[in-house]
This record gives sequence, C-alpha cells and structure tokens, in this order.
Amino acid sequence: AQSVSQHNHHVILSEAASLELGCNYSYGGTVNLFWYVQYPGQHLQLLLKYFSGDPLVKGIKGFEAEFIKSKFSFNLRKPSVQWSDTAEYFCAVTPYNNNDMRFGAGTRLTVKP
Amino acid sequence: EPEVTQTPSHQVTQMGQEVILRCVPISNHLYFYWYRQILGQKVEFLVSFYNNEISEKSEIFDDQFSVERPDGSNFTLKIRSTKLEDSAMYFCASGTDSNYGYTFGSGTRLTVV
Repeated sequence: AQSVSQHNHHVILSEAASLELGCNYSYGGTVNLFWYVQYPGQHLQLLLKYFSGDPLVKGIKGFEAEFIKSKFSFNLRKPSVQWSDTAEYFCAVTPYNNNDMRFGAGTRLTVKP
Repeated sequence: EPEVTQTPSHQVTQMGQEVILRCVPISNHLYFYWYRQILGQKVEFLVSFYNNEISEKSEIFDDQFSVERPDGSNFTLKIRSTKLEDSAMYFCASGTDSNYGYTFGSGTRLTVV
C-alpha cells in the first residue's frame, strides 16, 4: 500500500539553524510530491511541489526540497530558520494521474527565538 | 487569491446526530476532496469527487458518510449518525489536477459529545 513516512515527529531548533525534514514514500511508479505547512490554528498551505523536471524545487519562504528518486525521498530544507517557521510540516504524495493525495504523519517544528 | 471556504468553523453535535459540513471550492476547480485530522494525528484522506461522482474513497469513508455537490458551487460532507471518534478537523480541498497541488479550506472542527 502506498505510504508516506516522516521520520521526525518533533524538531526543535534555534533561530538561524539549518533545517532538514525527512520524507520517504513507498510507491513504485511516477509520483507528484508536495510539502504543506500548517501554522498554529490555520489551514494547510502549499509550500512547494514537484511533478517533473529539476529535482531541486524551491518554494515559498526560502524552503526547498530535493527529490531523490533512487531513495524514494523528498526532504525539505531551509538554510536558516526563523521563529515564524514554527509550524507543522506535512509531506504528501499523489501517484501520477491519480488525484488522491496521501499525507505523512507530519513533523512539528519549534523554532526558539 | 481564490480561497476554499468552509462553514461552520466549529460544530458541536451530540452522538447519533447528523451533521453536514459545507465547503465552497474555488470556482474553476474540477476536483474536490475531504480530509480529516484527528487531534494530534495525521491528515487522512476521506474521499475525492470529480464529474459529479465519487472517484475514490478511503476505508474511513463508510456508509455513514456521503458527499454531494447540490448546486454546482457547494460541496458537502454529511455524517449520518455521528460517533465520538468522528471528532476531528475536517478539511475540504479543491484542485485542477494533482500536478498543481490542492487548495485547502481552513477546516471545520467537529466535536461529538
């Protein structure tokens, strides 16, 4: 069965630290990959997406993610986090030509000022 | 920027009662979804809807659940006889196709007492 794994449940960083959140998926075919962010009390917002082309994708707010097909991974990175990045981050996958998105369990990021 | 609108933002209902959660997707979107997030848990897919019919549903979406697009603009989720375990945040989403990601509404928090 298709699944999405986010290995870090809760990450705590100080401001200006670098961030990498892991995401792995189990699906053998072509996939579309997404990272969503959920700020406290708010709805899910799209951070970035990959569906073809350059495997290094850049999103909003300085976030980027790299698709490594051989590792079935789509890790989220940011070189220098800010207090305002405190949120829950969800990796999501849809198989190509299938619109049903599956989410990882989420990683809660706490950035200390 | 276009938004997906959900009403109400919070609904409290007694166990066994029927509830209808309402969503107004973005007007030119063709795919519609319901997801739920039980407090502290992952975002779970419930159902996708395209061309006026359900295209896929999860094992969570049993006979107690139904969806409808009654008038070409609203998209509703009905729970016929609510259970305590239905308490969750329910997110509606809409999209043009999975390559572009979905736009999520702000959610309806359903509390079953």
